[in-house]
Amino acid sequence: AQKITQTQPGMFVQEKEAVTLDCTYDTSDPSYGLFWYKQPSSGEMIFLIYQGSYDQQNATEGRYSLNFQKARKSANLVISASQLGDSAMYFCAMREPFDGSGNTGKLIFGQGTTLQVKP
Amino acid sequence: GAGVSQSPSNKVTEKGKDVELRCDPISGHTALYWYRQRLGQGLEFLIYFQGNSAPDKSGLPSDRFSAERTGESVSTLTIQRTQQEDSAVYLCASSPAGQAPYEQYFGPGTRLTVT
Repeated sequence: AQKITQTQPGMFVQEKEAVTLDCTYDTSDPSYGLFWYKQPSSGEMIFLIYQGSYDQQNATEGRYSLNFQKARKSANLVISASQLGDSAMYFCAMREPFDGSGNTGKLIFGQGTTLQVKP
Repeated sequence: GAGVSQSPSNKVTEKGKDVELRCDPISGHTALYWYRQRLGQGLEFLIYFQGNSAPDKSGLPSDRFSAERTGESVSTLTIQRTQQEDSAVYLCASSPAGQAPYEQYFGPGTRLTVT
């Protein structure tokens, strides 16, 4: 069964510093996608970054980068130059493949990491 | 363009009552998902619709939960005889399923409180 593990319930980081949020996953499917979402206190889910299992390069989106280590089944999110507005809950998620075996592309979420940025 | 919308944004109901939650996906998105998020937890998959195919109901927690979608339009999630453990935020997401990376766009959610 597919599973996402986020082992850090809460993290603190000083403004302008970088922070790494951990995510490990478990799947036997060769084709999968990994996502990170941000959920501020308002509750909306904001897409941050995506990594496909066959992508050769680590994904980057502005201040967000994904440290993808396939052999270790880890997909850590790195936020550079933290800002106060980065304080939020962060979720790592794995997407099932779309195939004929009943997989429907649904997202399997981790429990989340609460990040607080200190001024 | 318009994002995913959900209504109501908040719903307080008494135990034992039925509730209906609505989701309007992004136009043209063929895939629609419902998730449940309990306080301080990650999202749990409930049900998936893809066009006119049979829905994947594998995540529905009990037969009190049901959902409908007509074609590629609005979806409704119905919870019958609500229980206190049904209290959660119910999130809907839509996706252009045929286009990588198949990102799911989430609505703002409906916060359900069962008293």
